[in-house]
Amino acid sequence: GAVVSQHPSWVICKSGTSVKIECRSLDFQATTMFWYRQFPKQSLMLMATSNEGSKATYEQGVEKDKFLINHASLTLSTLTVTSAHPEDSSFYICSAGLGRDEQYFGPGTRLTVT
Amino acid sequence: AQSVAQPEDQVNVAEGNPLTVKCTYSVSGNPYLFWYVQYPNRGLQFLLKYITGDNLVKGSYGFEAEFNKSQTSFHLKKPSALVSDSALYFCAVRGIYNQGGKLIFGQGTELSVKP
Repeated sequence: GAVVSQHPSWVICKSGTSVKIECRSLDFQATTMFWYRQFPKQSLMLMATSNEGSKATYEQGVEKDKFLINHASLTLSTLTVTSAHPEDSSFYICSAGLGRDEQYFGPGTRLTVT
Repeated sequence: AQSVAQPEDQVNVAEGNPLTVKCTYSVSGNPYLFWYVQYPNRGLQFLLKYITGDNLVKGSYGFEAEFNKSQTSFHLKKPSALVSDSALYFCAVRGIYNQGGKLIFGQGTELSVKP
């Protein structure tokens, strides 16, 4: 149980285009989902907290107009990277909260912007 | 402010030897502590957590961790390392007053187990 999926697992896009990444909790409902960014061999940096039916809460320094987050249902949150640039290339990981303590992580999405 | 430190970027261990991956934390109040493992190009897998109770926590794949309040540490241990344990390990903390349940991660420790 407690499986989180991400789609796509890998995406290449051209500079200036937008990319949408989906995060789904497959067998549980998650009122809260988190989006992280990770550079190679570095830690996870929390980008935003996404709550179902409300606006996401962004961490300091994260551009909310560039990284659009939508949490339309209890099992789906999406991250859209708008007008992507090469510096946005990274590994994006989502997690879904289950209960008070647990977070379950998706497998990640590798974004490469050319 | 809450923080987690993993003082070692890399830990090298011979297969069959015990391993320790260190973690210290700073948080207001009692902490919720977690260990996760990440294999290349994969998401994080939950290993174990400490919320309350026994200071020695047992988790997945034979790993365990000891909560030490006086030293503010939560070191990850395994009695006998396997080559397949080679991965990136993250310690994380969440304060009980932490709004929204955000996790704060350490910088990660790369564990390399050689045959």
